[in-house]
Amino acid sequence: GAVVSQHPSWVICKSGTSVKIECRSLDFQATTMFWYRQFPKKSLMLMATSNEGSKATYEQGVEKDKFLINHASLTLSTLTVTSAHPEDSSFYICSAQRTSGRYNEQFFGPGTRLTVL
Amino acid sequence: AQTVTQSQPEMSVQEAETVTLSCTYDTSENNYYLFWYKQPPSRQMILVIRQEAYKQQNATENRFSVNFQKAAKSFSLKISDSQLGDTAMYFCAFMKHQGHDMRFGAGTRLTVKP
Repeated sequence: GAVVSQHPSWVICKSGTSVKIECRSLDFQATTMFWYRQFPKKSLMLMATSNEGSKATYEQGVEKDKFLINHASLTLSTLTVTSAHPEDSSFYICSAQRTSGRYNEQFFGPGTRLTVL
Repeated sequence: AQTVTQSQPEMSVQEAETVTLSCTYDTSENNYYLFWYKQPPSRQMILVIRQEAYKQQNATENRFSVNFQKAAKSFSLKISDSQLGDTAMYFCAFMKHQGHDMRFGAGTRLTVKP
């Protein structure tokens, strides 16, 4: 199976600082990756679609200047939460897409828990 | 826009029994994919089963099977011989054919009791 990693698995930061989360596809190339946010006991909400070599596509209501996404290679996408505040505390999950025939299969990372003090 | 609805926030089942989780969706698409994902306490999303809308036959994976009713836009998950390790959040998800992004339901928390 395909493996997707995230780093760090958890991070605590002070309000006003920036935090970078990495998402890597370990054994396949992914031209498209996705970033989701999950609040406690809630569903996954798509934040943005990360496209290798081009700008990310953000969902309505997601601040692109606050959640910076960079997809610089076929195996790495990064999400930077800029000037983090306590309301940004959440569980962030990435997925990487692998095209298999006619089907775009997504593989999920283990998630990153962000706590902003 | 596609919406996915899971009307059962929580369910419980006795070990070795069978349980069915409900999911309905709304779309104008004719071809698409439906998924059930399991999220255990570790928070890792695990694909349980996938159904392609153009296939009439219901997908099965060992103890997991679905009842796909395209006209009714219903996609329920049946877990047979429930095991303690099945305790988790279960999410129903929708993806358009040739689509990219996935839309999730609110989830059902399943507890398997010994």
